[in-house]
Amino acid sequence: QKEVEQDPGPLSVPEGAIVSLNCTYSNSAFQYFMWYRQYSRKGPELLMYTYSSGNKEDGRFTAQVDKSSKYISLFIRDSQPSDSATYLCAMSAFPGYSTLTFGKGTMLLVSP
Amino acid sequence: EAGVVQSPRYKIIEKKQPVAFWCNPISGHNTLYWYLQNLGQGPELLIRYENEEAVDDSQLPKDRFSAERLKGVDSTLKIQPAELGDSAVYLCASSLDSLGIAGAGEQYFGPGTRLTVT
Repeated sequence: QKEVEQDPGPLSVPEGAIVSLNCTYSNSAFQYFMWYRQYSRKGPELLMYTYSSGNKEDGRFTAQVDKSSKYISLFIRDSQPSDSATYLCAMSAFPGYSTLTFGKGTMLLVSP
Repeated sequence: EAGVVQSPRYKIIEKKQPVAFWCNPISGHNTLYWYLQNLGQGPELLIRYENEEAVDDSQLPKDRFSAERLKGVDSTLKIQPAELGDSAVYLCASSLDSLGIAGAGEQYFGPGTRLTVT
């Protein structure tokens, strides 16, 4: 079993839909959780950084962490075709970005 | 502000040949990372530099891979000899430092070099 599991998709939704992307993990030491967006033939870019359990909102994006279930989510409201990309979760037992464990990524396709 | 620059963007070589990738981080960024990303997978860290010092190279296959970051700025990752299984995207990232939980620690990725070994 991999430390971080993420459904590769693709997840296809119509424009304006609410999108839910999820990761599960097995390492209870993970405390810092990140979501990255990666467009085709580009490097990942950081969307959200959260610590421990709870919710964090930034514009149309909401990150949710449930450490008791070892489950994290990223919600995208009012999805746009420009949101079409691969979304990678990443996590670490330590603050900072030096020891990240990434999920495989979920490909999201938002159709106009 | 220019982002992380990587070259070449694409490289096709035959197995057993050497290959080198170059990375120019964002100006002023002390920490530099090299990642390997296989198709359909997330990035995996190969090596992390703090200035010119390699502080984490535990995942670097040292029998064929080498890296350097002279003067703590640009970096080069080399594979010699390349194997079929090395076909992947090699990503470079940089950050002001590696300890910040936001801001200074945030990594900025380059577009990657896509290597195909035939």
